[in-house]
Amino acid sequence: DGGITQSPKYLFRKEGQNVTLSCEQNLNHDAMYWYRQDPGQGLRLIYYSQIVNDFQKGDIAEGYSVSREKKESFPLTVTSAQKNPTAFYLCASSIRPGLAGGNNEQFFGPGTRLTVL
Amino acid sequence: QKEVEQDPGPLSVPEGAIVSLNCTYSNSAFQYFMWYRQYSRKGPELLMYTYSSGNKEDGRFTAQVDKSSKYISLFIRDSQPSDSATYLCASRETSGSRLTFGEGTQLTVNP
Repeated sequence: DGGITQSPKYLFRKEGQNVTLSCEQNLNHDAMYWYRQDPGQGLRLIYYSQIVNDFQKGDIAEGYSVSREKKESFPLTVTSAQKNPTAFYLCASSIRPGLAGGNNEQFFGPGTRLTVL
Repeated sequence: QKEVEQDPGPLSVPEGAIVSLNCTYSNSAFQYFMWYRQYSRKGPELLMYTYSSGNKEDGRFTAQVDKSSKYISLFIRDSQPSDSATYLCASRETSGSRLTFGEGTQLTVNP
């Protein structure tokens, strides 16, 4: 079964703690993305990576960090510096832009709901 | 100003109605336009995409882009309760990988 998996589905964090959200894909996609979704604000891009060992900040990168050591994996760490981390986090992947000759559709995982206690 | 704007609704219609969902955008470089459907507590899934201006039809769904007015539309004919979801429009430039999303419109189709 090809697809994107995210774990855990629900995560609770105490204030001041760092937490890491997992994202794995077996679609052989080069590009991976992390979004945050809040009510009434749609999806906002946190970080994205177009190739292994390289990543770029999105629109709301402050308080987050990522790594891309393997093609299949793109974990997101929510640090204690993120002041309002309670949200629904979505990971996505796509083929590398420019290779498709058309639309490089982003496929989304099921999401992780993070709540700060 | 947000690059892609979408009325968040909520929108409630009776079964069988024609639904019209709309977005506007401000970035003239946007060339790809997408509609994603997101069921509650799930990840979004791509419903349709169009390149540049024009219409695209897939079953009960029609996507329309008017680049002259920077207007994106999704029409759903013969709406069903299973169409109840949040619909997100998204756009990107030709060379880029980044998608810019609208806020999403929550749709409920009542049996």
